[in-house]
Amino acid sequence: GDSVTQMEGPVTLSEEAFLTINCTYTATGYPSLFWYVQYPGEGLQLLLKATKADDKGSNKGFEATYRKETTSFHLEKGSVQVSDSAVYFCALSANFGNEKLTFGTGTRLTIIP
Amino acid sequence: EAGVVQSPRYKIIEKKQPVAFWCNPISGHNTLYWYLQNLGQGPELLIRYENEEAVDDSQLPKDRFSAERLKGVDSTLKIQPAELGDSAVYLCASSLDAASETQYFGPGTRLLVL
Repeated sequence: GDSVTQMEGPVTLSEEAFLTINCTYTATGYPSLFWYVQYPGEGLQLLLKATKADDKGSNKGFEATYRKETTSFHLEKGSVQVSDSAVYFCALSANFGNEKLTFGTGTRLTIIP
Repeated sequence: EAGVVQSPRYKIIEKKQPVAFWCNPISGHNTLYWYLQNLGQGPELLIRYENEEAVDDSQLPKDRFSAERLKGVDSTLKIQPAELGDSAVYLCASSLDAASETQYFGPGTRLLVL
């Protein structure tokens, strides 16, 4: 079945550091890929998405590129801020008329000033 | 625009008691999802509705869990009787329709079964 494997956390970085959170997936066909973020005390929010190979999703300085050859969708940001502290979830949607999201286990990110 | 509303936000019950969670999706969203999120894990789909029809309930433990969306708007998820292992966060999400890939999540209901 479909699955998503995420870099285990927690991850702690200093402000302005470069961030990478790795995500790889297993799916049949051509899934859409997502990054969701969960800030403390809030619900999951869509951060960015990509629907086909080589697409790049971007939002709030975060980027991720859909790499079919490596089945990856790594999240990156060039300079993190304290406000980026949250839990980040990689997810896929299989696009077979089955619109459920399959999530990774989440990566907790803490940015220290 | 109001987001997905869930209540209660927190619930503490004793095992074997019943519990119910309520979700109001974003206005106009036809598709509604209930997810279960265990501690340290990603959400897992329990049930998906298209309007009032449950189109995917394959992961819903039907011996103790039930859900309804009678008028195709609000939805209720019930557990009866609750077990210790049901302690988790129950998330509701909605999307415009089945073809829309973006799901909007509510804040969740955190359940603790003692």
